[in-house]
Amino acid sequence: GALVYQYPRRTICKSGTSMRMECQAVGFQATSVAWYRQSPQKTFELIALSTVNSAIKYEQNFTQEKFPISHPNLSFSSMTVLNAYLEDRGLYLCGARAGGRNYAEQFFGPGTRLTVL
Amino acid sequence: AQSVTQPDARVTVSEGASLQLRCKYSYFGTPYLFWYVQYPRQGLQLLLKYYPGDPVVQGVNGFEAEFSKSNSSFHLRKASVHWSDWAVYFCAVSMTSNTNKVVFGTGTRLQVLP
Repeated sequence: GALVYQYPRRTICKSGTSMRMECQAVGFQATSVAWYRQSPQKTFELIALSTVNSAIKYEQNFTQEKFPISHPNLSFSSMTVLNAYLEDRGLYLCGARAGGRNYAEQFFGPGTRLTVL
Repeated sequence: AQSVTQPDARVTVSEGASLQLRCKYSYFGTPYLFWYVQYPRQGLQLLLKYYPGDPVVQGVNGFEAEFSKSNSSFHLRKASVHWSDWAVYFCAVSMTSNTNKVVFGTGTRLQVLP
């Protein structure tokens, strides 16, 4: 079956430091990967959409300078939160999809929960 | 731009009772609609999805949803709620069938009483 793993599941960092989170797709080719953030008591916001061999598209209020993303192959993506502050805390979800096919399902990982001290 | 409204932040039902969670969407094209569930301290799991076709879609664990273009709605239903259904439910909309980009509603927290 298709699965998406995320590492770490939970992390704590000091304010102003950076942390990297990873997303791995197993059982299918993750042509496109989306990164979402769920801030406390809020819904999921799309940060950026990454497609292999294409430019990464960031949503409004999110930038490459703050959330650099790497998507080097069809099974792996990573995102770094640079200079993390209190407002960056939350659950970061990776959604991976086999692109190029209509109706292909997006599979979500369990998320990386970021706490900023 | 598309948007999703879940008017009920919290719904409480007794175990065995029927359930409806409301979802209204705003989009001027053909919407692709989803219901996801988030169990405590976990990520998202897909319950069901609507692609243009039969307006009533069946999902996992006895859930179903009905698409209504005239009402711009995609309400989630279950005939008999189980205690394990205690979770947060998110309605979401996508512009196409070929993208990861979905817009989520604010979620409805379902509490199940014994």
